[in-house]
Amino acid sequence: ETGVTQTPRHLVMGMTNKKSLKCEQHLGHNAMYWYKQSAKKPLELMFVYSLEERVENNSVPSRFSPECPNSSHLFLHLHTLQPEDSALYLCASSQGQGYGYTFGSGTRLTVV
Amino acid sequence: QQPVQSPQAVILREGEDAVINCSSSKALYSVHWYRQKHGEAPVFLMILLKGGEQKGHEKISASFNEKKQQSSLYLTASQLSYSGTYFCGTNGGSNYKLTFGKGTLLTVNP
Repeated sequence: ETGVTQTPRHLVMGMTNKKSLKCEQHLGHNAMYWYKQSAKKPLELMFVYSLEERVENNSVPSRFSPECPNSSHLFLHLHTLQPEDSALYLCASSQGQGYGYTFGSGTRLTVV
Repeated sequence: QQPVQSPQAVILREGEDAVINCSSSKALYSVHWYRQKHGEAPVFLMILLKGGEQKGHEKISASFNEKKQQSSLYLTASQLSYSGTYFCGTNGGSNYKLTFGKGTLLTVNP
C-alpha cells in the first residue's frame, strides 16, 4: 500500500475509554505529524516527529499521548477525552523541512 | 500565529480565474498550498521557499513576496475539479511548525 494510511476511519468513544489512532506511511519520509481539524477552525498542529524523535509538542493536553516506534508508524493514544476533543485527526508525513506533506484520510473521532 | 487568508469564499463559473491570498505577520521561510475536498484528506499543491521563484502546476500557480510576507495562489481557467477548500501553511524556518490559515472555500459551477 502506498501513501499515508490511518486507522480507524471512524471512532466513537466514551470519556473514560482508552483508544489509539494508528498512522502508517510507506513513502520513505522521515518526519511525521499529527494535526487536529475541527469545524470552522484551521488545522492545528499537535505533534511532530523527525527521525523518530519528538521535535514539536504544541501545548497539547496530556490526555493525548503520541508514540513513534519507527519511521513508518505513528500512534496517538487517547484517554479520558472530553467532548470538545471530537474532531478529525489527520496524520501527515514529509521528507523533512522544505518539503510538502502527504496527509492520510484521517480518523473522525466522536467523544460521547 | 496563523496566517490570514482572503477571501473566505469565492464562487466561480467554469473557465473563470481566481486569486487566493495568504498573509503572515511574521517573516517566512516557506509557504505551502493544499486543497481539501469535502470528506477527503488535504492534497499538497506546491511549496514556495524563501529566495525561490514563482511556481506553476498546470493551470495553478503561486507567488511568494518575502518582503510583504505574502503568498498568492492563482487559478486560471477554472475547472469543476478545482472546487474545494484551499489552505495555505506557513513556516518561519526555525522549526517544523507549519501553521495553517482558516481556508478559502472555492466553488466552481458549470
